[in-house]
Amino acid sequence: DIQMTQSPSSLSASVGDRVTITCRASQNIGTYLNWYQHKPGKGPKFLIYAASSLQSGVPSRFSGSGSGTDFTLTISSQQPEDYATYYCQQSYSTPYTFGQGTKLEIK
Amino acid sequence: QVQLQESGPGLVKPSETLSLACTVSAVSLRSYYWSWIRQTPGKGLEWVGYINYSGGTNYNPSLKSRVTISVDTSKNQFSLRLNSVTAADTAVYYCARGPEVSAPWGWFDPWGQGTLVTVSP
Repeated sequence: DIQMTQSPSSLSASVGDRVTITCRASQNIGTYLNWYQHKPGKGPKFLIYAASSLQSGVPSRFSGSGSGTDFTLTISSQQPEDYATYYCQQSYSTPYTFGQGTKLEIK
Repeated sequence: QVQLQESGPGLVKPSETLSLACTVSAVSLRSYYWSWIRQTPGKGLEWVGYINYSGGTNYNPSLKSRVTISVDTSKNQFSLRLNSVTAADTAVYYCARGPEVSAPWGWFDPWGQGTLVTVSP
């Protein structure tokens, strides 16, 4: 299985801060990398596909980059509604696997 | 708007079978795979497996010996059965659309809200 490792596991940020989350794959996955936002009591929300393509309706302050084994999710200006847990997921091969999550908390 | 809703017992006894259903609204089951994903405290998010409209399946090897995913196209519904459960199977179980049959390298969107299943005597 492809292992996905996110860092940090938690992050404190203030409204307006630029936030960066890193995801590393255990092998080359090209750009088969997706990002999700998860809030308590809800199903995860799909944000970014193919490493850098924004899903329709997702605010432009979210962006993704990377290829191969190293990827980043960036929030250019943290908003109150962005406090959540973020997960990366590889879709290069089955079994699809997820990172362990990065919890974004209020500073 | 596509919506998915999980249903089933919230409590299952050890060694018994966990059974959940996912009802899909506002879209046909055609053209997509339909997945089950679970979230446990210990292992985080884990893809369980998927099924397509015709009943073709793909399971996570870590669960393959205990999992069956089936589809009922007349009800626009797909289901999960996990047998011989233990406490380690206690999790929030989500159903999700995806990936696309024509693009199996894709993503999961949307997800149901999830249902907590506890394995306990």
